[in-house]
Amino acid sequence: NAGVMQNPRHLVRRRGQEARLRCSPMKGHSHVYWYRQLPEEGLKFMVYLQKENIIDESGMPKERFSAEFPKEGPSILRIQQVVRGDSAAYFCASSPQGSSGNTIYFGEGSWLTVV
Amino acid sequence: GENVEQHPSTLSVQEGDSAVIKCTYSDSASNYFPWYKQELGKGPQLIIDIRSNVGEKKDQRIAVTLNKTAKHFSLHITETQPEDSAVYFCAAPRIYGGSQGNLIFGKGTKLSVKP
Repeated sequence: NAGVMQNPRHLVRRRGQEARLRCSPMKGHSHVYWYRQLPEEGLKFMVYLQKENIIDESGMPKERFSAEFPKEGPSILRIQQVVRGDSAAYFCASSPQGSSGNTIYFGEGSWLTVV
Repeated sequence: GENVEQHPSTLSVQEGDSAVIKCTYSDSASNYFPWYKQELGKGPQLIIDIRSNVGEKKDQRIAVTLNKTAKHFSLHITETQPEDSAVYFCAAPRIYGGSQGNLIFGKGTKLSVKP
């Protein structure tokens, strides 16, 4: 029973390039969440999506960041024109279809390094 | 604003001793309190959680206690083993302006268990 799958696990981008991070939720899960973890810090909520809908994007930076969860395929977190401050670990989490609580399960993360 | 404070930031214990990590939250309407364990280079793993209708929950060597009046909750690990060494995070849901899965995390406690 596969858990939350994220790829790539590690990504290096030069300043100004684009980064695309992918997440497939656990089987039977239809809610996806993205979190960011800066070095030596806790996790910060970014966005909550269901299929084809953004439910809560209150933690997303206003510019350069976008997220989607299409009808088919994984959820994607896209960062345009990356800057050094975007270097962080990005974690995707999921929760079961029909759930209304806050129990979420994280993937192993995507580590973005901007050089 | 809503906040979750976690103490201590580092904790070193001898194998076999107990470890206690404490968190306080600011919003009295919070009703769900998970604990995550994160090993180096990996994603956060849910190890135990508690809802506000109970005061204590136990799972083998791990227990969580909740004091709603004082707005704090604690993680207790008994008979610690070297494999318990990791960073532990507490969290609580964002009530105002938040959705399900929108958790506020503490800054983490780095637990070291010395053999």
